[in-house]
Amino acid sequence: QVQLVQSGAEMKKPGASVKVSCKASGYTFTGNFLHWVRQAPGQGLEWMGWINPNTGVTSYAQKFQGRVTMTRDTSINTAFMELSGLTSDDTAMYHCAREVKRGLDSWGQGALVTVSS
Amino acid sequence: QSALTQPASVSGSPGQSITISCTGTSSDVGFYNNVSWYQQHPGKVPKLMIYDVSDRPSGVSNRFSGSKSGNTASLTISGLQAEDEADYYCCSFTGGITLYVFGTGTELTVL
Repeated sequence: QVQLVQSGAEMKKPGASVKVSCKASGYTFTGNFLHWVRQAPGQGLEWMGWINPNTGVTSYAQKFQGRVTMTRDTSINTAFMELSGLTSDDTAMYHCAREVKRGLDSWGQGALVTVSS
Repeated sequence: QSALTQPASVSGSPGQSITISCTGTSSDVGFYNNVSWYQQHPGKVPKLMIYDVSDRPSGVSNRFSGSKSGNTASLTISGLQAEDEADYYCCSFTGGITLYVFGTGTELTVL
């Protein structure tokens, strides 16, 4: 079955960077776009961007451009999302999710990133 | 790109039908037939319920249906059940720099 397994929780100081991984299994990793969505505590879902694992092409939400980098390593079926210049507003659960027919049908369990001095 | 507008909360009794609206603009919901809906129970990851406005993934109950009129998409849940109590989010493709935008979210309470 399709599984997306993410790296663990991270605690960072303001100004630091964080890199979250998302390991895919149960399907052809290069066959579907992978999206990153975050959710601050008690808040709604926020789309951050996607990566085409086949080509490495990315598209980022305007809000995160210049601060986010999405990459992948096809040899280990893993996607990565790195966010720099962290502030307390970046404290959130970060999810990867697979796209099928413009719907996100499988989600990673999430990686909680806490930004605090 | 602003979030799509959803009511903060809706409620209904078991067996009833409810509809959650999702209002965007002529650049997103009104232009593309790429609206999806997600159900999220507390502490859980979102679950895809509807894609491409009205299509259901396999395994999703046919009590869930989607539609669109103009700049507003809707999710209807018929035969409301206690297990339907959750947060619901719409999402639309925009074709802009920010390719996708989520709705503000709706908390569904089953009375």
